[in-house]
Amino acid sequence: GQNIDQPTEMTATEGAIVQINCTYQTSGFNGLFWYQQHAGEAPTFLSYNVLDGLEEKGRFSSFLSRSKGYSYLLLKELQMKDSASYLCAVRDQSGGSYIPTFGRGTSLIVHP
Amino acid sequence: GAGVSQSPSNKVTEKGKDVELRCDPISGHTALYWYRQSLGQGLEFLIYFQGNSAPDKSGLPSDRFSAERTGGSVSTLTIQRTQQEDSAVYLCASSPNTRSYNEQFFGPGTRLTVL
Repeated sequence: GQNIDQPTEMTATEGAIVQINCTYQTSGFNGLFWYQQHAGEAPTFLSYNVLDGLEEKGRFSSFLSRSKGYSYLLLKELQMKDSASYLCAVRDQSGGSYIPTFGRGTSLIVHP
Repeated sequence: GAGVSQSPSNKVTEKGKDVELRCDPISGHTALYWYRQSLGQGLEFLIYFQGNSAPDKSGLPSDRFSAERTGGSVSTLTIQRTQQEDSAVYLCASSPNTRSYNEQFFGPGTRLTVL
C-alpha cells in the first residue's frame, strides 16, 4: 500500500504563491494526481504526473520526483476562490490494482 | 447529464436500518469507484468495478457493505444494519478504464447520517 503525507492546513495571502507538498511511499508507482475539493463539493482533477519534472497548467503547476517520493502543487497569483482542500493521490500498480490512494488533503485558506 | 450523478444527495437513517446508495457514471466509462469521506479524513477507498466485476473488494470495511453494478453502468452500494460510524459522505467516481492514465470524475456524493 501507500503512505501519503501532506500538511493538514496552510494559509496564504491573495496574490501570493503557495506550495503544497506531498510525500509518499509506494512499491509500484504509476502516477500521482492532484485534486481540488471545495467544501461540500466533489473533488475535481487538477494535474497528473508520472514522469519527473514540472507540469504547468495556467496558475497551477505540479512537480514530481520519483526517486524522492515527493510532489508539490504550486499555486500562483492566489485568488480567494482557491480556498479549498487539495488532495494528493498516488496510483500503485503492484498487485495489479491501479486504484489511486488519497492523502488526507491540505486545507488552503486564502485571505485578503 | 454529462457528469457522474448520485442519489440520494442526503440520507438520514436510524441505526440498524439498511440503505442503498446509487451511482450513475459517465456514459462509456468502464471503471467505477466508491469512496467514503469522513469529516477531516481523506478519501477512503471502498471498492471498484471494471465493467460489472469487482476485482478489488479489500476496502469494504465490513460484511455489512456490498456493492453491485449492472449493465456496465449503474452501481448500488448497500449498507446493511447501519451503524453511527457509517456516517460519512459516500463518493462515486468513474473513468474510462483503470489502467492507463485517467483522471477520475467524481459525483457530488451522498451524505449519510446514521442516528
